[in-house]
Amino acid sequence: ELKVEQNPLFLSMQEGKNYTIYCNYSTTSDRLYWYRQDPGKSLESLFVLLSNGAVKQEGRLMASLDTKARLSTLHITAAVHDLSATYFCAVDRGFKLIFGTGTLLAVQP
Amino acid sequence: ETGVTQSPTHLIKTRGQQVTLRCSSQSGHNTVSWYQQALGQGPQFIFQYYREEENGRGNFPPRFSGLQFPNYSSELNVNALELDDSALYLCASSLPLAPDGDTQYFGPGTRLTVL
Repeated sequence: ELKVEQNPLFLSMQEGKNYTIYCNYSTTSDRLYWYRQDPGKSLESLFVLLSNGAVKQEGRLMASLDTKARLSTLHITAAVHDLSATYFCAVDRGFKLIFGTGTLLAVQP
Repeated sequence: ETGVTQSPTHLIKTRGQQVTLRCSSQSGHNTVSWYQQALGQGPQFIFQYYREEENGRGNFPPRFSGLQFPNYSSELNVNALELDDSALYLCASSLPLAPDGDTQYFGPGTRLTVL
């Protein structure tokens, strides 16, 4: 059974500093997604990574995928308060997504 | 382009009752997936519908059932509600083989509380 683990589960960030969230998964997959969820809200699609070595960037967020290591990272550059939310990675298993445990990011001034 | 919509927003039911949740997919999308998200957890896959047929199912009992209509909208039905069914129910639509890599786009969700 595919397992998806994220770490850390909680990240308290200082504004202006850089951080990384890690997403490990247990079974081969070539497709991985990152989503953002604000409290009480739905999931917003951030990135889709479709192949080994894929790198996507949007604003202060950059995601990468290493399918051989079964690892994806979400890098945050110069954190700002607007990035406070829960971030999920999700691995594609054909017709379904298997979500990670989520990482709660809190940016402190 | 219209995004994914769900109704109702909130719902309160008692144990043993039945509930129907509704979802309209994003324009042009023919695939709808349903997820259950308990508080503090990641979404769990319930099932997926593609062109009105169930295309896959997660580890949920048969009292969770669904439908997809010719316009690709969908319903999730839950019978004999249990306290543990209290959760946010998310609907997501997608278009297989699209350039966005089959990205699933989520609706705002229905918050179900079972008393």
